[in-house]
Formats: sequence, C-alpha cells, structure tokens
Amino acid sequence: AQSVSQHNHHVILSEAASLELGCNYSYGGTVNLFWYVQYPGQHLQLLLKYFSGDPLVKGIKGFEAEFIKSKFSFNLRKPSVQWSDTAEYFCAVNAWQAGTALIFGKGTTLSVSS
Amino acid sequence: DTGVSQDPRHKITKRGQNVTFRCDPISEHNRLYWYRQTLGQGPEFLTYFQNEAQLEKSRLLSDRFSAERPKGSFSTLEIQRTEQGDSAMYLCATTVKGDGELFFGEGSRLTVL
Repeated sequence: AQSVSQHNHHVILSEAASLELGCNYSYGGTVNLFWYVQYPGQHLQLLLKYFSGDPLVKGIKGFEAEFIKSKFSFNLRKPSVQWSDTAEYFCAVNAWQAGTALIFGKGTTLSVSS
Repeated sequence: DTGVSQDPRHKITKRGQNVTFRCDPISEHNRLYWYRQTLGQGPEFLTYFQNEAQLEKSRLLSDRFSAERPKGSFSTLEIQRTEQGDSAMYLCATTVKGDGELFFGEGSRLTVL
C-alpha cells in the first residue's frame, strides 16, 4: 500500500527566507507525485505535479519540487517566501496509470511572518 | 470558484441522526472522489466513482456510509446513525483524467454533537 510522510508539521519562517518541505513516499512501483496547497479559508488546489521526465518540476507562485527516485522523496522548495505563502501544504502520491486515488500526507502548516 | 460544488457547507447534527452531502462536479468530469479530513490530518480517501460506477472503496467506509452517483453527474454521500467520530470535513474532488490531478470542492463540515 502507498503511504506518504511529511517530516515537518509546522514551519515558521520570516519573509524572504528559503523554504524546503520534506516528503517521502512508500510505493514499489512508478508513481505520480503532487503538492497541493490550502490557503486559509480556501479549497485545496494543485501547486505542482510530477509524472515523468525532468525530476525538477516548477509550479505556481515560484514553487518547485525535486523528485529523487533513490530516496523516494519529492521535496518542495521556494527560494524566498512571502507572507501570502502562509498555508497548509500537502504532498500526495498515486500509482502511475493505475487511476487509483491520491494518497495524501498529513500536511505541513507554513506560517510566514512579515 | 473551483467549479466543484458541495452542499451543505456545514451540518450540525445529533448523534444517531442521518446526514447526506451532495457534490456537483465540474462539467464533463467523469471521475469523482470522496475524501474525509480531520484536524491535523491530510485528506483520507473514502470512495471513487468513474461515471456511475463505484470502483473503489476504502476500509474507512464503514457500513454506515453509502455513496451514490446515479446518473454519472452529481454524487451523494450518506452517513447513517452518525457518531461523534464522524465529525470531519468531507471533501469531494473530480477529474477527467486518470493521472491523479484532482479539483477539490470547498468541503462539507460535519459536526456531530
């Protein structure tokens, strides 16, 4: 069975600091990987996704993530965070081409102070 | 506006009562998923429809839970004999592709007293 681990439960940063949120998954086959974001009072929305190809993927609002197959990791990064990045971030995985449901991590709450 | 509509947004009920949530997908999205989210947790998969067929159910979906998508469009999630442990946000997500990119609704928050 697939599972997703997010290492940080709550991260607190000042504006302009760099961000890295850890995500590891457990699955023996090929996977699709996602980061979703939930801003306060809003619905979950896609930040970025990896299906295949270049392991460094770029998403909206300056976020990027790197897929490292050997480490079963898909860490999210942003060089310089803004106050508006305050949100909850979820890593998710599903088995490639299986059409199965996304499995989510428990999430990381990011608080950015101005 | 995500395009996925859920109703009601908030439901407060007494233990033992039945509740029903509705999800209206984005037009032409043939895949529909129900998730449950509690405080401090990520969304947990409950069940999945492709058109009107319910193709997958999680072990989390006890006998008190039933979901339908009768015409392959809107879906309902019913919880019978609610328990306090059912208190959660119930999320609906839809997609037209099988690659996992989901579009979520705002959710229906259930509070069981």
